[in-house]
Order: sequence, then C-alpha cells, then structure tokens
Amino acid sequence: AQKITQTQPGMFVQEKEAVTLDCTYDTSDPSYGLFWYKQPSSGEMIFLIYQGSYDQQNATEGRYSLNFQKARKSANLVISASQLGDSAMYFCAMREDPGGTSYGKLTFGQGTILTVHP
Amino acid sequence: SAVISQKPSRDICQRGTSLTIQCQVDSQVTMMFWYRQQPGQSLTLIATANQGSEATYESGFVIDKFPISRPNLTFSTLTVSNMSPEDSSIYLCSPDPFGQGSSGYTFGSGTRLTVV
Repeated sequence: AQKITQTQPGMFVQEKEAVTLDCTYDTSDPSYGLFWYKQPSSGEMIFLIYQGSYDQQNATEGRYSLNFQKARKSANLVISASQLGDSAMYFCAMREDPGGTSYGKLTFGQGTILTVHP
Repeated sequence: SAVISQKPSRDICQRGTSLTIQCQVDSQVTMMFWYRQQPGQSLTLIATANQGSEATYESGFVIDKFPISRPNLTFSTLTVSNMSPEDSSIYLCSPDPFGQGSSGYTFGSGTRLTVV
C-alpha cells in the first residue's frame, strides 16, 4: 500500500507567487517524521523541511513552510515568493519510528515537478 | 549534518559487468541507507547497511545483485553486479542522522549509472 501520496505530477507557478505542493501519508505509528526534499536536474537531494508527528506548530524554514494537518494525514509544502531557481522535482517522504538507535528509513512519494514561470 | 562523499558521480558500463559505488561520511553513523532512483521515478530503498552485520535488503532486492560492505562506521560500498540496461539509475547513499543533532537526512551527490 502506498504510504506517501503526491497527487500532483506537475505544478506551474508564476515567479513571486506562492505555491502549495500536496502530500498525504498513511501510518498507524504515533511517532513519525515528515520531510520535503528538492531535487534539481543535477540529481542531488536537498533537504528542505522537517515536521515531527508530535510537533505542535507547523515547521517553517525561510520561504518554505509545512502545512501539517494531522487528522487529515496531510503535510503540504508551501513555497512563498517563488523564484526561477525553485524549478525542480519535489519529494515528500516519511520516516516511521523504529525505535532503538536508528531514525529509520525514508519512504518517498512519487514527486511533483514544479515549474516557475518568469 | 554529515558531509558525504559519493563516488563515482557517473559511469557508463557494459552489460554483464559490475560497478562498486563508494560512500564516505565525515562522522560515524550507525546505519547507511542505499537508494535507487530509476529514470523518472521516485527513490526506492535497496538496503540498510549496519556495521558488523549483513545488510538488510528490501523486497525485490537481493544480496547477490547488490552486495554491500560496511567495514566501519564512516564508509560503505554498494556493488551493482552483472548489470543490465534495467539497472540504469541514480544510486544514492544516505547516513542515518541518529545522534547527529539534525532532523534531516542528507544524501550523497548520487551515482548516475548508464548500462549499455
């Protein structure tokens, strides 16, 4: 069963506008983490933002914020004031807490290609 | 977060040959994760490498095809054996951030493999 779902294969946004990338997840574990990564055409994976399942407030990192709705099991990424350099593939990922001495593996969604128009 | 050196960055290989990918981390980490990203696809975990024990492979991946070594807490290798064009992918290593004081998993820069 798909644990992370990104329903938007592609998104377009005008430069300087905000855009929301959707992510829903499925887990029965009360302790988990949600991540967003950016992958430009070079292929590197760039960590953007993290939200823990017990965090009371939505995570923010500069122009990135995570709209965490626990009851709906959604963790949407909001990019404010889009820039041309934001054009890339974006992945949502989840870590389920295995306990012990590991943070555990990541499960990734299918990704959303974001294109920023000038 | 850990600084990772992954080599080679890219390679073009003949079918039937093998390629070993190296991942060096600047700090000791408990586990190393190896992922594959097929063209146009998402990342899929191949295996988890723990020092001193055999790697744990995900469904669909076997040790004979993807042998992994983890000789110490800062280094790991992944070998892609008896390659076929279907193995053309980006391969990425990612150290477990446990104990690193960071919530974010970092990744090596990736190895872009093309099998001809």
